[in-house]
Amino acid sequence: DAGITQSPRHKVTETGTPVTLRCHQTENHRYMYWYRQDPGHGLRLIHYSYGVKDTDKGEVSDGYSVSRSKTEDFLLTLESATSSQTSVYFCAISESGMNSGANVLTFGAGSRLTVL
Amino acid sequence: AQSVTQPDIHITVSEGASLELRCNYSYGATPYLFWYVQSPGQGLQLLLKYFSGDTLVQGIKGFEAEFKRSQSSFNLRKPSVHWSDAAEYFCAVDPGSQGNLIFGKGTKLSVKP
Repeated sequence: DAGITQSPRHKVTETGTPVTLRCHQTENHRYMYWYRQDPGHGLRLIHYSYGVKDTDKGEVSDGYSVSRSKTEDFLLTLESATSSQTSVYFCAISESGMNSGANVLTFGAGSRLTVL
Repeated sequence: AQSVTQPDIHITVSEGASLELRCNYSYGATPYLFWYVQSPGQGLQLLLKYFSGDTLVQGIKGFEAEFKRSQSSFNLRKPSVHWSDAAEYFCAVDPGSQGNLIFGKGTKLSVKP
């Protein structure tokens, strides 16, 4: 997937436990994104990053935090997982980013999270 | 608010038949438009994009899409569908200065032999 690796690819956890998903890129792209995909909802943006230590909220950010300490890594953390956060999470990267009008995203393979 | 509508949740076509997937957007100006495809268990792959110029754009895998400003549409077409085209297709809009790429809810394509 064009130099994007998501880990873990599958995880089952219990309500109330913390979970961290990792996105690693080898493309040296400035912009990175976390989306969640749910049936009937398509893809919804959780958080995004426009550089090291520069992040912002997306449409469905409640219950999630992110960190980006290096260009290549973008972490998504669920501090206390809930069943409503059961979803497939996709990381994406782009060179040009939002507001450029040419925001071509490249996606990772996804991480399937189940919260029991 | 900007939105993207894909009216068909699920479409079934016979192999070799033509295909058209519909996408309508709600936005005041001409946005930047995309079609992505998602095979089962995979991430999304860019099929094609429209930024400006010729309103008929060609993409990978034999797909094309036509931007019609008067209808606020960006429909995806393929003249002859192959069994490997079975997947879910997402239309997306980048409103530009408004930020956030907006995705439709997707159309699942099944292909009959």
